[in-house]
Amino acid sequence: GDSVTQMEGPVTLSEEAFLTINCTYTATGYPSLFWYVQYPGEGLQLLLKATKADDKGSNKGFEATYRKETTSFHLEKGSVQVSDSAVYFCALSAAGGFKTIFGAGTRLFVKA
Amino acid sequence: DADVTQTPRNRITKTGKRIMLECSQTKGHDRMYWYRQDPGLGLRLIYYSFDVKDINKGEISDGYSVSRQAQAKFSLSLESAIPNQTALYFCATSDRHRDNTDTQYFGPGTRLTVL
Repeated sequence: GDSVTQMEGPVTLSEEAFLTINCTYTATGYPSLFWYVQYPGEGLQLLLKATKADDKGSNKGFEATYRKETTSFHLEKGSVQVSDSAVYFCALSAAGGFKTIFGAGTRLFVKA
Repeated sequence: DADVTQTPRNRITKTGKRIMLECSQTKGHDRMYWYRQDPGLGLRLIYYSFDVKDINKGEISDGYSVSRQAQAKFSLSLESAIPNQTALYFCATSDRHRDNTDTQYFGPGTRLTVL
C-alpha cells in the first residue's frame, strides 16, 4: 500500500542554518505530495504542495521538489528562524484516492 | 474565526466513561475526517465521511464511532474509554470538488486523557 517515510527527529539547528528534512514515498500512479506544519498547541496546516513530477512547491522560504525518479519530496529552507520550530509532516494523496497518508513527523528545534 | 472548530479542547475522563468529541466547519467542505496523533506515530485515520450519508472506517476504528449530523458537523464518540485512547485528536476537512489534491484543513485538536 501507499506509504510515506520521513527522517526521524528531533532536528536541532542554530538560527540561519540550512534545513533539509528528507521524505520518500511509495505509491502507484502520480500522487499529490504535501508538507504540513504543526506549531506548538495547534493543528496541522498546509505548508506547501506539488501535484506532478518536477513541480516545486514553495511557501515562507520553504521549498520541496517532486522527484518521481527517486520518489522523494525533501523539504528545504536556506536560513531557518526560531519561529520555524515546529513538527513537519510529509504526506501524499493518491491520484483518484480517498485519503491522505501522513509520515510520522519530524520535530525541528531552532536555537537563537 | 476558525474555519474548523473542535470541542472540547481538553478533556480528562475515567476508564469506562462515554466521551463525545465534536467538530464543526464553516468551509462548506464535503469531506470530514477524524485522526488520532500519538508521539512518533504521526496521524492515523479513525473515520472519514464524504457526505452526510457516507461514513467509512479508517485504519484504527475499533473502540470509536462517529456521527455526521449535518454537512458541517462530525462527532467522534468513545463508547467506553480506555487509557490507551489517551491521545491528541484532530478533525479535518477537504473539498475534492474544488481541489482534486484533497488538501486537508485541520481543527486545533482535542487533548484527551483517560485515567
